[in-house]
Amino acid sequence: GDSVTQMEGPVTLSEEAFLTINCTYTATGYPSLFWYVQYPGEGLQLLLKATKADDKGSNKGFEATYRKETTSFHLEKGSVQVSDSAVYFCALSDNAGNMLTFGGGTRLMVKP
Amino acid sequence: DAGITQSPRHKVTETGTPVTLRCHQTENHRYMYWYRQDPGHGLRLIHYSYGVKDTDKGEVSDGYSVSRSKTEDFLLTLESATSSQTSVYFCAISPGTGSNNSPLHFGNGTRLTVT
Repeated sequence: GDSVTQMEGPVTLSEEAFLTINCTYTATGYPSLFWYVQYPGEGLQLLLKATKADDKGSNKGFEATYRKETTSFHLEKGSVQVSDSAVYFCALSDNAGNMLTFGGGTRLMVKP
Repeated sequence: DAGITQSPRHKVTETGTPVTLRCHQTENHRYMYWYRQDPGHGLRLIHYSYGVKDTDKGEVSDGYSVSRSKTEDFLLTLESATSSQTSVYFCAISPGTGSNNSPLHFGNGTRLTVT
């Protein structure tokens, strides 16, 4: 079945550092890929998405590129802020778009 | 929160007791989902609904049942709670599926502790 693997956290960075959170997937067909973010005490929010190979999703300074050849969707940000501290989840949807399969989540802690 | 309300927000219950969690939406979305969130496992789908009285099982459905008697409400029931069901439960909604790959909108979660 479909699966998503994320790097384990926590990831601890200083403010203005460069962020990469790795995500790789296994899926049949052509899934869409997502990054969700969860702030403390809240539900998940969609951060960005990409629906086909080579698409780049971007939002709030975060970017991720759908790489079919490496089955990856790594999340990057050039300069993190303390307010980016959260748990980040990579996910994919099946071809019909009915189901989301999530990775285990990566906690990011940004220190001033 | 895209008009999603989960209740209760916190619940402590004893092993063997029945528990019902409620998800209420004001968006008139067709799809509703129940996930559980556990450390190291991310979110795992329990059950989902694609319309009134139309439900199906997810990845971790054993020990859970659901009901959807009207569009706005999706109930998750633990018939006889066990300690392994201690978790944070999230409801999510989506207007549709297919090529739009509609993103899910999540509620703020229910923290359930089974002692």
